[in-house]
Order: sequence, then C-alpha cells, then structure tokens
Amino acid sequence: QKEVEQDPGPLSVPEGAIVSLNCTYSNSAFQYFMWYRQYSRKGPELLMYTYSSGNKEDGRFTAQVDKSSKYISLFIRDSQPSDSATYLCAIIKGGSEKLVFGKGTKLTVNP
Amino acid sequence: NAGVMQNPRHLVRRRGQEARLRCSPMKGHSHVYWYRQLPEEGLKFMVYLQKENIIDESGMPKERFSAEFPKEGPSILRIQQVVRGDSAAYFCASSPATDTQYFGPGTRLTVL
Repeated sequence: QKEVEQDPGPLSVPEGAIVSLNCTYSNSAFQYFMWYRQYSRKGPELLMYTYSSGNKEDGRFTAQVDKSSKYISLFIRDSQPSDSATYLCAIIKGGSEKLVFGKGTKLTVNP
Repeated sequence: NAGVMQNPRHLVRRRGQEARLRCSPMKGHSHVYWYRQLPEEGLKFMVYLQKENIIDESGMPKERFSAEFPKEGPSILRIQQVVRGDSAAYFCASSPATDTQYFGPGTRLTVL
C-alpha cells in the first residue's frame, strides 16, 4: 500500500464550480499536511499548510484534515481558469523532513 | 526577495556523461532538499542537506548520485555516468528551519 494515494484525474469543471481534491494516507505518524499547486513545467507552489484536524481557510481555498480517517481535502470555491494546474498533496511524518507526495490531480477549469 | 534558483533550467547529456545541477536557496534558508519527478510519477524525495552536512540521503540511488551543500555557494546534485532512466525533472526546495519547503523552478534533464 502506498503511503499517500491521490486520484490523478484528470478533473474538468466549469468556471465558478466548487472543486474537491482528496488524498488518503496510510501511516498515522504523518502529522503535517500541505497542498501544492504546480503549473505545467514549473515548480510546485505552496498553497496550504496545516498540522491539525479540522479546516483551514485562505481566500477561495479550504484545506480539511481528518486524522481519524487519514483523509485530507482541498476545496476551491468559485474556481477560475487560472486555477487550471496539477494539485499535489504532501505529508510529513513527525521528526522527519522529507515530504511524501501524492501523484497529483490535474485540474482544468473551463471558461 | 528572490525565490529558490536552479540552473540550468534544461540540461541535455549523452549516456555516460556527468550532470551537475545547481540550487541556490532563498535568502536566509539553510536547509536544502532535492526531489525528482519522473514522467507520470509524483515527486520523490532524494536528499536533505544543511550547510556542509548531509542530513538524510535515504532517497538517493546508491550509485552515481551525490549531493553537497558547501559553506559557500549553491547546493550541487551530481549524477555521474548518466543513463536514459535519469531523464526527469529535478527540483530543489529550501526552508529556513524545520518548516515549510519552497520549491525552485526545476532542472529538466534529458539523457540521449
């Protein structure tokens, strides 16, 4: 079983839709959770960072962590064509420095 | 404040040659990480360095790959005797401490 599972998509939505992106993980030692956005042929850009169960909101983005289910989500409200990118979940174990990434979900927002 | 810088952005090598990838962390960041992204694969951790020290190299292939972060100058990821399977995007990230990692634009290595 992979440490982090993420549906690669692709996911295509109309402009203005609410987007839900998800990852599951297998090891309860994971403590820190991040979402990165990666445009084509660019480096990953940090979007959200959280370490506790619950929700964290930043503008149109909400990160949700459910440690009991080992499930993390990223919601994008009022999606825009500029949100079209690959979204990567990344997780770190306590005491470690290496990010463990999901494979990424490719999102297209159609105008 | 300049972000993480990597060069070259694109590198083409023939099989058997050496590849040197450079990474300059963000100002004030003393922690450097290298990741590799193979086609259709996620980012995989390779190595974590602080100045003059390799902290965790558990993701580095046992042969041909090495990394350093000298007291002065950029971090270097070195691949000796490259093979076609080394073709990938190599990303460097930096952080000021044990904290969030900020990525550079990557170096895309193509081995002919």
